[in-house]
Amino acid sequence: EVVLLESGGGLVQRGGSLRLSCAASGFTFSSYAMTWVRQAPGKGLEWVSAISGSGGSAYYADSVKGRFTISRDNSKNTLFLQMNTLRAEETAVYYCAKGAMNENYYYAMDVWGQGTTVTVSS
Amino acid sequence: SYELTQPPSVSVSPGQTASITCSGDKLGDKYASWYQQKPGQSPVLVIYEDAKRPSGIPERFSGSNSGNTATLTISGTQAMDEADYYCQAWDSSTGVFGGGTKLTVL
Repeated sequence: EVVLLESGGGLVQRGGSLRLSCAASGFTFSSYAMTWVRQAPGKGLEWVSAISGSGGSAYYADSVKGRFTISRDNSKNTLFLQMNTLRAEETAVYYCAKGAMNENYYYAMDVWGQGTTVTVSS
Repeated sequence: SYELTQPPSVSVSPGQTASITCSGDKLGDKYASWYQQKPGQSPVLVIYEDAKRPSGIPERFSGSNSGNTATLTISGTQAMDEADYYCQAWDSSTGVFGGGTKLTVL
């Protein structure tokens, strides 16, 4: 069974930092692109960042570029999101999601974690 | 930046056909995917590459994409289909979601 388990969320002050993790199991982790998506309370989904299977290519939403860094450790089947200079409006549930096809496939995500909650206090 | 526009809400009677649209500039030239999200749950992929259904998704879910509009169609809508639906596309090395559509089955 394919499972994604996020962790690392919590309460942080505005301007602070947090590192999210996503532990993957049940598939060959390095063979798939991975994506972070967030959802503010009562709001829609917002694409945040994606990374290729090898980790050699990374992509960011304009809203987080320069502040967030996506990375992965394929030896540990784990995806990360380092978030710096956090803003109050970035309070949200952060989901990690698996690309549907291969290591460079970003068009759809077929497995999602349960999410981890990040609260940025102002 | 690229934008996808969805109607905030759609209503349908049980057993009828529901259509949810997603509009974006030349969206037909890109792959559109659709996700279903029920309250308190993580999103579920229901359509990818415009019209393909992942395994386990009922045949009543179908999709199309042409011109500036992608459409998710649910035939014979059931009460269990009541949920929020989001379209998604990839443009200029960035992913983007539509604002979401709340489907009400009444």
